[in-house]
Order: sequence, then C-alpha cells, then structure tokens
Amino acid sequence: AQSVTQPDIHITVSEGASLELRCNYSYGATPYLFWYVQSPGQGLQLLLKYFSGDTLVQGIKGFEAEFKRSQSSFNLRKPSVHWSDAAEYFCAVGPSGGSYIPTFGRGTSLIVHP
Amino acid sequence: GAGVSQSPSNKVTEKGKDVELRCDPISGHTALYWYRQSLGQGLEFLIYFQGNSAPDKSGLPSDRFSAERTGGSVSTLTIQRTQQEDSAVYLCASSRGTGLDTEAFFGQGTRLTVV
Repeated sequence: AQSVTQPDIHITVSEGASLELRCNYSYGATPYLFWYVQSPGQGLQLLLKYFSGDTLVQGIKGFEAEFKRSQSSFNLRKPSVHWSDAAEYFCAVGPSGGSYIPTFGRGTSLIVHP
Repeated sequence: GAGVSQSPSNKVTEKGKDVELRCDPISGHTALYWYRQSLGQGLEFLIYFQGNSAPDKSGLPSDRFSAERTGGSVSTLTIQRTQQEDSAVYLCASSRGTGLDTEAFFGQGTRLTVV
C-alpha cells in the first residue's frame, strides 16, 4: 500500500530564510506526487504536482519541489520565506492502479518568525 | 459553482446526537472524496464516490458513519450517535476523476465539535 511520511511536525524559520519541507513516499510504481497548503481555517490548496518529466517542478507562490526516485523523496523548497507562508503543508501521493484515492502525509506546520 | 462548498462551516453537537454534513462539489466533477482531519493526525480518508459506481467505503471508521451522493452531485456525510472522538474537521474534495493525474479540489471543511 502507498504511504507518505512527513518527518517534521513543526518547522520554524525566520522571514527571508530558505525553506525545505521533507516528504518521503512508499509506492510501487511511478508516483503522482502533490504538495498542498492549508492556511488557518481554510481548505487545502494545491501548490504543485509531479507526474512525469522534469524532476524539478515549479508551483505557485514561489515554491518548487524536486522528485528524487533514488531517495523516494519529494521535498518542497522556497528560497525566501514570507510571513504569509505560515500554514500547514501536506504532501500526498496520488491514486495508484485500482485505487483512485490520494494518500496524505500527516502534515508539517510552518512557523515564520519576523 | 466556483469551488467546493461545505456546510455548515462549524457544528457543535451533543454526544449521542446525529449530524449531517453537506458537500457541493465543483460542477462537472465526477469524483468526490471525504476526509477527516484530526488535530495533528493529517488527513484520514473516509469515502470515495466516482460517477455512478459503488462508493469506496473502506475508510469509514465505524457503522455510525455513512455517506450518500444524490444525482452524482451533492454529498451528505452522516454520523449517527456522535462520540467525542468524532470531533474533527471533515473535508470534502472533488476532482474531474478522468485520470490518475487529476488533482483534488478541497472545500473549507466542517469543524465538528461533540460535547
């Protein structure tokens, strides 16, 4: 069965600093990978997604993620964090053959200090 | 509609009461998902609807939970005889459902508090 691990429950960074949120997945084939962001009191918004091709994908709000098959990772990065980036971030692996249900990690809470 | 709409946004209920949570998916989306988000627990899959196919109920935690989707559009999640451990945010999502690479669009959720 597919699974997603986000090893960091909380990450604290200073505004303007760089950010990397970790995501590891377990999947039997080529995965479909997603990063979502959830601001307080809001639903989840898609930041970016990877299906195939270039392993470095660009998303909205200045985020990017790199798919590394050898490490089973899909880490999210941003070169300079803004205070408005404070939110909960979820990594997800998409549906696999026979199942159309995405699996989500437990989330990483990003705290941004001024 | 423009996005996935869920109602109510907040619901406080007494232990033992039944509750109904509503989800209006994006028009034309054939796939609909319900997830539960408990504090610090991430998203727990509950149930999945795809078109007219039988729903995938494999994530429902007990027989107190049920869901239906009328006319392939609006869905209602019902929790009978609510318990305190049912307190969570219930998220609905929909997608075009036409391929494995289609993204899910989420509503803002219903925050359920059982007292």
